[in-house]
Amino acid sequence: DTAVSQTPKYLVTQMGNDKSIKCEQNLGHDTMYWYKQDSKKFLKIMFSYNNKELIINETVPNRFSPKSPDKAHLNLHINSLELGDSAVYFCASSQGIGTGRNEQFFGPGTRLTVL
Amino acid sequence: AQTVTQSQPEMSVQEAETVTLSCTYDTSESDYYLFWYKQPPSRQMILVIRQEAYKQQNATENRFSVNFQKAAKSFSLKISDSQLGDAAMYFCAYRSAWSNQGGKLIFGQGTELSVKP
Repeated sequence: DTAVSQTPKYLVTQMGNDKSIKCEQNLGHDTMYWYKQDSKKFLKIMFSYNNKELIINETVPNRFSPKSPDKAHLNLHINSLELGDSAVYFCASSQGIGTGRNEQFFGPGTRLTVL
Repeated sequence: AQTVTQSQPEMSVQEAETVTLSCTYDTSESDYYLFWYKQPPSRQMILVIRQEAYKQQNATENRFSVNFQKAAKSFSLKISDSQLGDAAMYFCAYRSAWSNQGGKLIFGQGTELSVKP
C-alpha cells in the first residue's frame, strides 16, 4: 500500500494554463507539505499544512494555491503556468511539526514541464 | 534563518570501500533534528538516517553512520562497504524542533555519489 501518493507523476502543459497536482497520504498523519525541486535538484519547501491549516508559505507566488480538504489530502493548484514553474513537485507528510521524530514521508514526485 | 551546506557536488567510491559525505549547517537554535536523505534515479526520497541534536551519541543504521559535531555544526555521513545500489544523490536536511517553523525540512544542495564496480 502506497504511503504518500501523487497524481499525476508527469504533467506536460503549455504556458498560461492552469493545472492541479493531487496528494494523498494513508499514514494518518496530521501534517502535509509541498516541496519544489528545481533543475539543479535543489529542494525547497513551499507550504506546510497542519490539521488542514496553513502554517508555512515560503514566499511562493500567489499563482500557487494549496488546498487541504481533509488531513489526508493536500492538493496544489497552479494558475497561469510559467516556464520557470517547470520542476519536480514533492508532497510529504509527517505526524506533528514540533519536537519528536516526525519523520517525513515523501510521495514519488510530479515532474511538471511547461512548454 | 537556518542554512545547510554540502560542499561536495560529486563524490566517487569504489565498491566495498568507505566514503564520507560532508554537511555543515548554521542555526542559532539548540533543539533540532538532522537527516540524510537518498534520492536514486527513480527520484523517490528515502530517509537514510536521522540525528536528534540533544543526543550526543552518533546515529547508526547498518552500513550508514553519522559524525555529529554540534559545536562545529557539522553532520557528515559515512557509508561503509559501499554497494552499487548506494549510487544516488544524497541530501542533508535540517528541521527545527519549534512548531512555528511548520516542521519544514531545509535541504543542502546535494552530493551525487557514484559507486565504481
